[in-house]
Amino acid sequence: AQKVTQAQTEISVVEKEDVTLDCVYETRDTTYYLFWYKQPPSGELVFLIRRNSFDEQNEISGRYSWNFQKSTSSFNFTITASQVVDSAVYFCALSEAYAGKSTFGDGTTLTVKP
Amino acid sequence: DARVTQTPRHKVTEMGQEVTMRCQPILGHNTVFWYRQTMMQGLELLAYFRNRAPLDDSGMPKDRFSAEMPDATLATLKIQPSEPRDSAVYFCASGLVPDGQPSSQPQHFGDGTRLSIL
Repeated sequence: AQKVTQAQTEISVVEKEDVTLDCVYETRDTTYYLFWYKQPPSGELVFLIRRNSFDEQNEISGRYSWNFQKSTSSFNFTITASQVVDSAVYFCALSEAYAGKSTFGDGTTLTVKP
Repeated sequence: DARVTQTPRHKVTEMGQEVTMRCQPILGHNTVFWYRQTMMQGLELLAYFRNRAPLDDSGMPKDRFSAEMPDATLATLKIQPSEPRDSAVYFCASGLVPDGQPSSQPQHFGDGTRLSIL
């Protein structure tokens, strides 16, 4: 069975601080995909980033960056120079490659204070 | 941008009433998911469809919940009879998963139906 653990329930930072959201996953599949979604106070879930199980290259996209380490089954997400608009619940998800079905973590609530 | 459309956005009804939630997936997407989000349980997968066929509804209480896809542009989730514990936000999501091939495509979520059962 697949499992996603987001150990941080809530994080609070002051604007312009960097913040890292942790995600640890479990799967027996060799091919899978990892995602981060954002759920702002308005309620909709929005796709942010993805990574496939064969590519451990870490990337940066604007203020977002992610660190995928297969050896530790972790897929951490960093927001650099956080802004108030980053306040949201962030979900890490593990997707079965062929079924397309995803297992979501419980989410981390990020509050960025001005 | 193409979006997943869910109706109604809000629904308040009394216990015992039938509730129907509708979802229009993004045109061209062949997979539709229904999720329920509560504070206690987080985001739970209730059921999902591929090419309109149900693939997995193990997350759904069978006695009162039913999910269907009458056509490629409409997915429905029904609760009959509804109970106060069904109060939650119900999300529909769609995605494209090619048959027999791995898919890295993310799921696209609707805005959700906020359901309150009194």
